[in-house]
Amino acid sequence: KAGVTQTPRYLIKTRGQQVTLSCSPISGHRSVSWYQQTPGQGLQFLFEYFSETQRNKGNFPGRFSGRQFSNSRSEMNVSTLELGDSALYLCASSLAPRTHQETQYFGPGTRLLVL
Amino acid sequence: AQTVTQSQPEMSVQEAETVTLSCTYDTSESNYYLFWYKQPPSRQMILVIRQEAYKQQNATENRFSVNFQKAAKSFSLKISDSQLGDTAMYFCAFMKPPYNNNDMRFGAGTRLTVKP
Repeated sequence: KAGVTQTPRYLIKTRGQQVTLSCSPISGHRSVSWYQQTPGQGLQFLFEYFSETQRNKGNFPGRFSGRQFSNSRSEMNVSTLELGDSALYLCASSLAPRTHQETQYFGPGTRLLVL
Repeated sequence: AQTVTQSQPEMSVQEAETVTLSCTYDTSESNYYLFWYKQPPSRQMILVIRQEAYKQQNATENRFSVNFQKAAKSFSLKISDSQLGDTAMYFCAFMKPPYNNNDMRFGAGTRLTVKP
């Protein structure tokens, strides 16, 4: 089975622009979670989608949004980019909604640089 | 609020030797789960090991084992017979009930380098 894929792998944007990142989960996985990883804040949960519905949301401003399609692929969007949005954005998928028992499989990440 | 502390930003070990990565956490919960994740350079993050707080027996996965001290709120990871492929960032994580994604906290990570 192919693993979790994320596109693009690298992205450079300028402040004020918006960006859309894509994540394709492992075939059969219906839950997709997004995380932001930065050297200062570490790994922080953004949101989780299951069956096209947002199931959980982390503590991020409304500029961060996401969606999930019927084929379980997910996109996240960041509008009005700020310098502090520079980070590695990780996507993870699992068969069922994320719990302590459900193992997530991570993608390689999209590295976003905001200038 | 739950916090996870990894006090060793960087560590190194010689190939074939044993290394222990430390992790402490703070919580008022009685049951919870603890995890160690490995993130190799430019590769996917993977789950290494998982421990339930109610289980007294320390979890093991091949060369990876944990030393879980509930009273001390300590959850260290021991890697035996270190291999070059163990070079990675290691993240300790804590998850409290009701065990959703936003109930999870990660430590800042320890960068481990295995030297030949």
